[in-house]
Amino acid sequence: SQQGEEDPQALSIQEGENATMNCSYKTSINNLQWYRQNSGRGLVHLILIRSNEREKHSGRLRVTLDTSKKSSSLLITASRAADTASYFCATSSGTYKYIFGTGTRLKVLA
Amino acid sequence: DTAVSQTPKYLVTQMGNDKSIKCEQNLGHDTMYWYKQDSKKFLKIMFSYNNKELIINETVPNRFSPKSPDKAHLNLHINSLELGDSAVYFCASSGTGNAYEQYFGPGTRLTVT
Repeated sequence: SQQGEEDPQALSIQEGENATMNCSYKTSINNLQWYRQNSGRGLVHLILIRSNEREKHSGRLRVTLDTSKKSSSLLITASRAADTASYFCATSSGTYKYIFGTGTRLKVLA
Repeated sequence: DTAVSQTPKYLVTQMGNDKSIKCEQNLGHDTMYWYKQDSKKFLKIMFSYNNKELIINETVPNRFSPKSPDKAHLNLHINSLELGDSAVYFCASSGTGNAYEQYFGPGTRLTVT
C-alpha cells in the first residue's frame, strides 16, 4: 500500500518566498529521501535523512524528520522559478524497496 | 555521460502487442529498479534487482517480466499489453544498502491504444 502522503498537493508561491511541503508515512523507516521531478523528466535526488537524524541542510533545502509523528518536511528557502517541479518523499524500511509519496506540485511565479 | 539511460523514450502500441524497454546504468551500482508512474504522478515500485537477482516483485502481473543480463542492465518485457499499462516507466539504480540515493533514468512513456 502507499506509504507516503504529501501535502499540499499543489503549492503556488512568488519568487523569493519560502516553500514548505510535508510528508507523512505509516510504518517505521530507516531513512527518508526527497526527490524533485521536473516536467517530463526523471526524478533527481535532493537529500536523505536517516531515522536517527532530526534535521538536515543542503544549500537552500532544509529537511526535518519527526519519527514520533511519522512525518517529514522539506523547506525550500528563497525560491526561484527554476524550483518549479514536483517534489516527492520516499521512505525506506528495508533494503531494495522505496515507497514514494503522492508528490507536491510546486509552482514558483517570477 | 548519461548515468541511467532508457530506450525508447516513447512507445506507442496497440493492445495485445508485446514490447520491451531497455535500461542501462554506468554508475557501477549493484541494485536496479523499475517503477511505474501513472497519470496522477503516483510512482510505484515494480521490481528490484540486486546483482542480477530479483529481490522485490510488487504484485506485478505475470505479463511483466524483467531480465537482468548483467549488473549494468535491467530490461522490462511486457506481454499482451493492456490499456491500463499506459504510464511512464522509470528505471533507477542505487548502491546496495539502506541509505543510498537512487538515480533515475529519463523515463519511457508507454501509450497503449
